[in-house]
Amino acid sequence: QKEVEQDPGPLSVPEGAIVSLNCTYSNSAFQYFMWYRQYSRKGPELLMYTYSSGNKEDGRFTAQVDKSSKYISLFIRDSQPSDSATYLCAMSDVYGGATNKLIFGTGTLLAVQP
Amino acid sequence: DTAVSQTPKYLVTQMGNDKSIKCEQNLGHDTMYWYKQDSKKFLKIMFSYNNKELIINETVPNRFSPKSPDKAHLNLHINSLELGDSAVYFCASSPAAGSPLHFGNGTRLTVT
Repeated sequence: QKEVEQDPGPLSVPEGAIVSLNCTYSNSAFQYFMWYRQYSRKGPELLMYTYSSGNKEDGRFTAQVDKSSKYISLFIRDSQPSDSATYLCAMSDVYGGATNKLIFGTGTLLAVQP
Repeated sequence: DTAVSQTPKYLVTQMGNDKSIKCEQNLGHDTMYWYKQDSKKFLKIMFSYNNKELIINETVPNRFSPKSPDKAHLNLHINSLELGDSAVYFCASSPAAGSPLHFGNGTRLTVT
């Protein structure tokens, strides 16, 4: 069993839809939770960053972390064709006090149809 | 003014060759990483350096040797390339433990 599980999709939605992306994990030591977006032939770019449990909102994006259920979500409101990309969840604890050992999900490919 | 830059962007080579990938970051971060992304988009950590010191070495064949001449640079040398080494290699940096990583745009390595 992988440490982080993510539905690979692909997910296809019409423009304007609400998108829900989810990850589950097994390591209760994870404290830092992130969502990255990756366009084709580009590096992952940070979308959302959350420490411990709770919600965080940034524009059309909302990240939720439920540590008791070991479950994180990313919601995209009013989805746009420019949101079409692979979305990667990632999480870590602090490794040796100096660095991150960021563990990624397998990514969900999202296509927003105009 | 690219934050994390990698060269080359594409690398096509034959089995058995030795190749290097270079990475530089201008963010002033103390920690740098190499990640490997396979054909299914799965990203896996290979190495982490903090201020030129190797912190994480994640069960990578010893044909892969990272080198950090200073905290702004992290290079990856690969000896005796194999077909299975074909992947996209990403360099990343972060300012501190627990902080998000900033990624470069990757080096697409194809071994024939």
